[in-house]
Amino acid sequence: KQEVTQIPAALSVPEGENLVLNCSFTDSAIYNLQWFRQDPGKGLTSLLLIQSSQREQTSGRLNASLDKSSGRSTLYIAASQPGDSATYLCAIPDNYGQNFVFGPGTRLSVLP
Amino acid sequence: NAGVTQTPKFRVLKTGQSMTLLCAQDMNHEYMYWYRQDPGMGLRLIHYSVGEGTTAKGEVPDGYNVSRLKKQNFLLGLESAAPSQTSVYFCASTLDSYSNQPQHFGDGTRLSIL
Repeated sequence: KQEVTQIPAALSVPEGENLVLNCSFTDSAIYNLQWFRQDPGKGLTSLLLIQSSQREQTSGRLNASLDKSSGRSTLYIAASQPGDSATYLCAIPDNYGQNFVFGPGTRLSVLP
Repeated sequence: NAGVTQTPKFRVLKTGQSMTLLCAQDMNHEYMYWYRQDPGMGLRLIHYSVGEGTTAKGEVPDGYNVSRLKKQNFLLGLESAAPSQTSVYFCASTLDSYSNQPQHFGDGTRLSIL
């Protein structure tokens, strides 16, 4: 059964810092991995989707990498801003390909 | 360009009452999902559907029923609400879980059972 963990659970950084969020999974046979952002009181917004054949994806200041062999993905945020404050979750299709397994999330606070 | 729309956004029920949460998507997605999100528990799948007329149980299906009579709509029903069902409910949809298309979420329904 696929399990997804995220470290750290919470992170607080000053504005302007570069930071890395981590996502680990137990079964390396994945089709893709998604990173989501959730603002308080809102639903999840997809940030990046990495296909299993890719090593990384970039969108603006965000860069997500994928290392299937080690069961890890990282989300790199460059030059963080207060508006980046949110909870970030990663998700992977389960072994049957019909559902998604979500990590517990990392709560990020970027201080002005 | 609505995406995934959930109705209602807020609701307060008394124990034993029933209600239906509606999820509508306009992206012609095959797969639809109902999750609940509770503090410290993360997102947990209640039921899901892989196409019109199909439904399946997720991780925490007890006390809930679902229907997918039309491709664009996925309904979640609580027959006899219990305080343990107080939660934030999210609906999501995707083309399919193997695709390169992301999963889209609604803004949630905040449900309180007194």
